[in-house]
Amino acid sequence: AQSVTQLDSQVPVFEEAPVELRCNYSSSVSVYLFWYVQYPNQGLQLLLKYLSGSTLVESINGFEAEFNKSQTSFHLRKPSVHISDTAEYFCAVSNTGGFKTIFGAGTRLFVKA
Amino acid sequence: ETGVTQSPTHLIKTRGQQVTLRCSSQSGHNTVSWYQQALGQGPQFIFQYYREEENGRGNFPPRFSGLQFPNYSSELNVNALELDDSALYLCASILYTGTGGNEQFFGPGTRLTVL
Repeated sequence: AQSVTQLDSQVPVFEEAPVELRCNYSSSVSVYLFWYVQYPNQGLQLLLKYLSGSTLVESINGFEAEFNKSQTSFHLRKPSVHISDTAEYFCAVSNTGGFKTIFGAGTRLFVKA
Repeated sequence: ETGVTQSPTHLIKTRGQQVTLRCSSQSGHNTVSWYQQALGQGPQFIFQYYREEENGRGNFPPRFSGLQFPNYSSELNVNALELDDSALYLCASILYTGTGGNEQFFGPGTRLTVL
């Protein structure tokens, strides 16, 4: 069985400050890891994913996440956030054999001016 | 915009009733997954369909059922509605190419309220 723990339910941060959203997972098999973002009244959008290869993955809008197998973590970071980054962020895991995805409970990122 | 649409947007039902939610997948996608997202929680996997066959199911009772049609649109049916079924229901469209890690394209969801 797999599980995902997002360690912070809410993260308030000032604009242009750095942010880290923490995610730990549990699995007995190899996994793929994802971060999704959900804006108010919308569905989820894929932000970035780790399948294999380089453990540091980046999105087009400045977010990055690092896969750490020994610590079973996949924390999301951004060096300088914008007001428009305010949203709910979900970490997710799926096994490599298919695409059933297990989501964490989410972290609400609130960027203040 | 993902190209995935869901209907209706909002729905109010009473306990014991039945409901059908619809999803239109992105063109060319052969797989759909359905999720239940309760308020303040992450999406919970209900089931997925690949080429009209159910090929994976989460911890949901049999009163949650689905269909996928030849044009890859799909339905989620819930019988004997309970208050705890109140949630946002999301469908995700996927082009499955034989390996995992494929991107899921989510629709905007249907907000179901059970009174």
